[in-house]
Amino acid sequence: AQSVTQPDARVTVSEGASLQLRCKYSYFGTPYLFWYVQYPRQGLQLLLKYYPGDPVVQGVNGFEAEFSKSNSSFHLRKASVHWSDWAVYFCAVSMSNYNVLYFGSGTKLTVEP
Amino acid sequence: GPKVLQIPSHQIIDMGQMVTLNCDPVSNHLYFYWYKQILGQQMEFLVNFYNGKVMEKSKLFKDQFSVERPDGSYFTLKIQPTALEDSAVYFCASSPHWGSSAETLYFGSGTRLTVL
Repeated sequence: AQSVTQPDARVTVSEGASLQLRCKYSYFGTPYLFWYVQYPRQGLQLLLKYYPGDPVVQGVNGFEAEFSKSNSSFHLRKASVHWSDWAVYFCAVSMSNYNVLYFGSGTKLTVEP
Repeated sequence: GPKVLQIPSHQIIDMGQMVTLNCDPVSNHLYFYWYKQILGQQMEFLVNFYNGKVMEKSKLFKDQFSVERPDGSYFTLKIQPTALEDSAVYFCASSPHWGSSAETLYFGSGTRLTVL
């Protein structure tokens, strides 16, 4: 069965520092992988998505993620974090061309000045 | 951009009573979804809905749950009767397409349901 694990419930980084949020997935077949962000009092917004192809995908606001089949991972990265990145980040997996998403439990990112 | 609205953001109800969670989807969308997130756990799929019918539901969608979208208005999730384990944040989502990429899926900000 498909599942997603985000091992870090909370991450704190300094503004300007680099960021990596971890995501491990379990899926039999070719996964479609997503990162969503939820800012305070807002709905989830899609940051980026991976469809089979180039393992490094670019998203909005300088985010990128790298798919690794050997590690069953889809970690999110950003070179320089901004205070406005303070939010909760969710990793998700779905079957191809199918809207049911299987989410991780989320990572709450705090940005220190 | 397009927004899915969920009002109120928090509902408190006594166990055994009925509750209806309201979702105002994006106006031209045809496919609707509910997800449930218990505090500290994953957001989990409950149900999707199209053309007045439930298309798919998970094992979390108990017999006490029902969904409808009467006359193209709010998409609702009704729980009757409520149980303590129904306490969670419920997220609504809508999409214009079926089987399309998730970039067309829009989520609301969630309604936190507390069952006492």
